[in-house]
Amino acid sequence: EVQLVESGGGLVKPGGSLRLSCAASGFPFNTYSMNWVRQAPGKGLEWVSTISSSSTKIYYADSVKGRFTISRDDAKTSLFLQIHSLRAEDTAVYYCARGGILTGYPTTWGQGTLVTVSS
Amino acid sequence: QSVLTQPPSASGTPGQRVTISCSGSSSNIGSNFVYWYQQLPGTAPKLLIYKNNQRPSGVPDRFSGSKSGTSASLAISGLRSEDEADYYCATWDDSLSSYVFGIGTKVTVL
Repeated sequence: EVQLVESGGGLVKPGGSLRLSCAASGFPFNTYSMNWVRQAPGKGLEWVSTISSSSTKIYYADSVKGRFTISRDDAKTSLFLQIHSLRAEDTAVYYCARGGILTGYPTTWGQGTLVTVSS
Repeated sequence: QSVLTQPPSASGTPGQRVTISCSGSSSNIGSNFVYWYQQLPGTAPKLLIYKNNQRPSGVPDRFSGSKSGTSASLAISGLRSEDEADYYCATWDDSLSSYVFGIGTKVTVL
C-alpha cells in the first residue's frame, strides 16, 4: 500500500524558515516523480513544486520560486521542501503527492502538514 | 483566480446526473492530459480521473471524464449523498511550465 506521511509543519514567524518532510513507502520511490501541493484555509488546491525521478527536472510555482527548494533522498525514500522567507500567504496545509513514472501529475496524496505563518 | 475555469458550485438530487466543466486554453487543456480530484470535507484530495477519462481502480463507474479541445468535464451519474465534496480539475500548462488547478467545484446533494 502506498503511504505518504508529511511532517515538519508548525507555527512560524514571518520571514522564518521551515523544512517539510514526506516519508514514502509501499512503492519504488526512486522511479516516481513527487509533488508538493498546498491548500490555504478554506481555499482551493495550489500546486507548489514537482521533482522528477533522479531529480533531473524540478519545477516551481511562480509564487514560491526563489524561496522554496524541493529535494529528495531516494535512499531514505523521502521528499523534502525547504521553505525560506515565509509570508502570511504561505499559511496552508502542505500535501505531499506521488506523481507518475512518466508524468508528474499528482496521484496518491498524503494527509498533509499544516504550516501557519503568524507573528 | 486560475487559468482553468470551473463553476464554483453544482448541485443535484439523489440519482441525478451532474456535470462539472473545466475550461482552459491551448497551452494547458488543449495540449495536455486533464486529471480530476475529489476532496471530501476534512480530508486529503483523492484522484478520481486521470489522463482525461481513465478511472483508477476503486473509483465507481458513476464518475466519468471527457475532454474536447480546450475544455474538459467530469460527470457524476446516479448522484449519491457521499458524493458531496469539492472537485478539482488539473493539467500541465506549457506556457507557465507548471501544473495548474481549477478553483474547485463544490457539489451539493439536495
